[in-house]
Parts: sequence; structure tokens; C-alpha cells
Amino acid sequence: QVQLVESGGGVVQPGGSLRLSCAASGFTFSSYGMHWVRQAPGKGLEWVAFIRYDGSNKYYADSVKGRFTISRDNSKNTLYLQMNSLRAEDTAVYYCARYTVTTSGIDYWGQGTLVTVSS
Amino acid sequence: DIVMTQTPLSLSVTPGQPASISCKSSQSLLHSDGKTYLYWYLQKPGQSPQLLIYEVSSRFSGVPDRFSGSGSGTDFTLKISRVEAEDVGVYYCMQGIHLPPYTFGQGTKLEIK
Repeated sequence: QVQLVESGGGVVQPGGSLRLSCAASGFTFSSYGMHWVRQAPGKGLEWVAFIRYDGSNKYYADSVKGRFTISRDNSKNTLYLQMNSLRAEDTAVYYCARYTVTTSGIDYWGQGTLVTVSS
Repeated sequence: DIVMTQTPLSLSVTPGQPASISCKSSQSLLHSDGKTYLYWYLQKPGQSPQLLIYEVSSRFSGVPDRFSGSGSGTDFTLKISRVEAEDVGVYYCMQGIHLPPYTFGQGTKLEIK
């Protein structure tokens, strides 16, 4: 079955950096585009970034553009989100999620990893 | 960016009764390929979101048939024919026609009376 397991969250000071990972299993990772979506405490869902199956194209929300970088290693079945210049408003649970052509949208989500930006 | 507006933001339903959630987009979600990229997700308490409906009205694998989606253009509806206790949580609509960014509705919290 499809499994997406995020890791790398934690507490970081404003201006700091963090790298999130998402380990994928149960499907051919190299054939699927992948997203990062975040959810601030008690708030709704906010799309963050997308990367095509082969890494050829990447898209970002305006709120993170220039600070966050999405990448993937298809040999390791792993998705990454490098987060730099972190701000208090980046505090959220970060989910990795799979894009599928079948539904032309997001089908499976990981369990999320919490990032807290605080001094 | 496309703005997604859900109503109501909360609803309380007696088990066995129907429920309906509306989602309106600020632009048409009908693509030139003929598909309409509107999705519905349910986030149960303490869990990550799960896909219920894709492309307006197609139920995802394993989703009970009491869930149905309808609509076109900019107006969409999720209906639950008979609410069960396991349906509690927050429902989100999402547009997938325009990337970046994908955008979500504010969420509708469903509670059981």
C-alpha cells in the first residue's frame, strides 16, 4: 500500500534552516509528481510546493518562493523540502502528498511532521 | 490566485440525516481538456487529509457511496446521503486546474448531534 513518511521537523529559531524528508514506499516513486502542503496549528491547508516526477519542473507558493527548495532523489524514493530563512508564520505541520495522473490531483498524504519556528 | 469559498463553515448533523457542503471558486475550474479539476478531502480528527472525490464527482477508491459530488464551472457541492459517526472531521474542497498554486477552501467542520 502507498506509504509516505515525513521526518525532519522540530523547533528552529527565526532565520534558521531545516530540511524535511518524505520516504515513499508501496508505489513507483519515480513515476509520480509530489507536493508539500502545510497546515498551521488550528488552521486550514496551504499548498507549498510541487515537483514533477523527474524533477524537471518545480513550483512554489509565493509565501515560500526564494526561501524553500523542493527536490527529490528517485534512487532513494525520497522527497525533500529545504527550508531557509524560516519565519514564525512557517510554523505548521508539513505533509508530503502524491500527485497522480489518474485523478489529476493529490491522492495520498503522509502523516505530517511539525515545524515550529520560535525563539 | 483562485479563491475557494466553502459554506457553511460548520454543521451539526443527526446520524442518518443528509448533509451538504457548498464550494465556490473565483474562476471556472473547467479545463480545455474537458475535465473539471475540483476535489474534496476529509481530514478526520488527528489525521492527515484523505481524498474523497476527484474531478467533481468521481469517488476515490474505498470511499463509501453515501458520498457524492456534483457541480460545474464555479459551483460545486459535496453531499453525504446519510451521515455516520465516522464522517466527523473537516471537509476541504481544492482546485487543481491552476498550478501554482493549488488552493483550498477554508474547511467545513462536520459534527454529530
